[in-house]
Amino acid sequence: KQEVTQIPAALSVPEGENLVLNCSFTDSAIYNLQWFRQDPGKGLTSLLLIQSSQREQTSGRLNASLDKSSGRSTLYIAASQPGDSATYLCASIGGSNYKLTFGKGTLLTVNP
Amino acid sequence: EPEVTQTPSHQVTQMGQEVILRCVPISNHLYFYWYRQILGQKVEFLVSFYNNEISEKSEIFDDQFSVERPDGSNFTLKIRSTKLEDSAMYFCASRRESYNEQFFGPGTRLTVL
Repeated sequence: KQEVTQIPAALSVPEGENLVLNCSFTDSAIYNLQWFRQDPGKGLTSLLLIQSSQREQTSGRLNASLDKSSGRSTLYIAASQPGDSATYLCASIGGSNYKLTFGKGTLLTVNP
Repeated sequence: EPEVTQTPSHQVTQMGQEVILRCVPISNHLYFYWYRQILGQKVEFLVSFYNNEISEKSEIFDDQFSVERPDGSNFTLKIRSTKLEDSAMYFCASRRESYNEQFFGPGTRLTVL
């Protein structure tokens, strides 16, 4: 059974700092790895999806990497802003029905 | 840009009542999913649905739950007799053939009193 773990559970940084969020998964037989953002009490906003054949994906100040063999993914946020404050979730996509298995998330606070 | 929509955004019900959560997937999508997130916990897979039948369900998805695609556009999750522990955010998602990214709806917050 796939288990997805995210470290740290919470992170507080000053504005402008570069930061890395970590995600690990136990079963490397995945199709994709996806990062989401969730604001308090709200839905899931997809940030980046990395295909299993890719090693990284970039969108603006966000860069996600994937190392299937070691079961790890990282989300790098450059020049963080207070508006980046949210919970960041990673999810593996696998199995015959392409279901998502989520981590518990990292709660990011960017202080002005 | 097409979106997955869900109604209602918030549903309050009494324990033991039946609820139906509604989703309208993106129109050319063929695979449909329900997930739930209990407050402060992980988003968990409930069920996947394709070609008018359940393709996979988790151990959470017991006999109290059912899914249906009653017409060409809606996809519903029914909970027959709600319990306090069913209180959660329920997310619907859909994807199209040959592309494994799922697109999520905004969620329905279910509160069972």
